[in-house]
Amino acid sequence: SQQGEEDPQALSIQEGENATMNCSYKTSINNLQWYRQNSGRGLVHLILIRSNEREKHSGRLRVTLDTSKKSSSLLITASRAADTASYFCATDAAWGQNFVFGPGTRLSVLP
Amino acid sequence: DAGITQSPRHKVTETGTPVTLRCHQTENHRYMYWYRQDPGHGLRLIHYSYGVKDTDKGEVSDGYSVSRSKTEDFLLTLESATSSQTSVYFCAIKGDGDQPQHFGDGTRLSIL
Repeated sequence: SQQGEEDPQALSIQEGENATMNCSYKTSINNLQWYRQNSGRGLVHLILIRSNEREKHSGRLRVTLDTSKKSSSLLITASRAADTASYFCATDAAWGQNFVFGPGTRLSVLP
Repeated sequence: DAGITQSPRHKVTETGTPVTLRCHQTENHRYMYWYRQDPGHGLRLIHYSYGVKDTDKGEVSDGYSVSRSKTEDFLLTLESATSSQTSVYFCAIKGDGDQPQHFGDGTRLSIL
């Protein structure tokens, strides 16, 4: 069974708008990671947030983590056409080095 | 970018034939992973390795085997390919501790 589930499945916005994607998971984690995948390419790591962190920023990216609700959100501010991609959250098992990925959110940023 | 390459990038083969996919890294990372990606499922872990000759099963390991005889190479073998194994296969590597995974560009495998 999947640990992470992203919401929404697809999102379409205009350039310059903000995009928010959510991820829910089921069991305890050490950290949660967000990845981006451009069409036909491998996943690229965006940001890692540890279970004892509540918020993290990287450039136009803001990630929050609420371990009590077992959920995370990824906010992309001032979106650009180049942000068009699929975004995945991945959670690790509390004990190990394995990760479980959700089905992803497909983001389209229209110029 | 992390030094990770997958070969081949594309392969078409017939049901019942054996297939081996290769993942090669130049980062000397301890952990290596094989995933498959199918529409609606995200990435699902097939097998992973935590060292030379140390491997374990993932979520969807049936029909697949792996080998890691050297730190830099992780091979995924489909002993007798089936049409349900048509997918895009991704290899990933990871260092120790709270490190992200780095992915290859994938192998698109079609089994007719």
